[in-house]
Amino acid sequence: ETGVTQSPTHLIKTRGQQVTLRCSSQSGHNTVSWYQQALGQGPQFIFQYYREEENGRGNFPPRFSGLQFPNYSSELNVNALELDDSALYLCASSFGGFSYEQYFGPGTRLTVT
Amino acid sequence: KNEVEQSPQNLTAQEGEFITINCSYSVGISALHWLQQHPGGGIVSLFMLSSGKKKHGRLIATINIQEKHSSLHITASHPRDSAVYICAGLYNTDKLIFGTGTRLQVFP
Repeated sequence: ETGVTQSPTHLIKTRGQQVTLRCSSQSGHNTVSWYQQALGQGPQFIFQYYREEENGRGNFPPRFSGLQFPNYSSELNVNALELDDSALYLCASSFGGFSYEQYFGPGTRLTVT
Repeated sequence: KNEVEQSPQNLTAQEGEFITINCSYSVGISALHWLQQHPGGGIVSLFMLSSGKKKHGRLIATINIQEKHSSLHITASHPRDSAVYICAGLYNTDKLIFGTGTRLQVFP
């Protein structure tokens, strides 16, 4: 059984650029959620996808968008990057939403300069 | 306001001590996740509970729905338990609200 994987591991971008982060769910999981964790803080929920549809969103602006594919892998896209977007981005997959155990990936560390 | 509050923020212990980390939450939260985050960022799910008590090895999690309070206990603590412990509340079934975490250091 393959765990949750994320790519890339690290990424450096310039303010104003766009970035795409990727997440492969654990086998059999149909739900993926994304989180932003700034240095020294707890994670913040960005959004969740269930069977390719957005199913819940936190307090993030529209420039944070996502996709879930038929194989349940997922992308997080961030447009018009700002310095405050520098953070660890985590994804987690589960069998059916937040009522189930969440399996986290190792994260992508994004630095915006 | 949807909130999850943890205490203490930092905790140090000697190996073998009994550890308690507390989490209080606001109305609208129906279940709690307890998570463990090691240096470097990896997060592991420890428990998800909406009532009662769960136990796994030396870890015990309890939740009191009426008081909107949950606790994570570690018995016979060990240096490898050193990590950040985070509680996250499930709000409206479609949002997770995270506490700020409790940094635990267990010394030999």
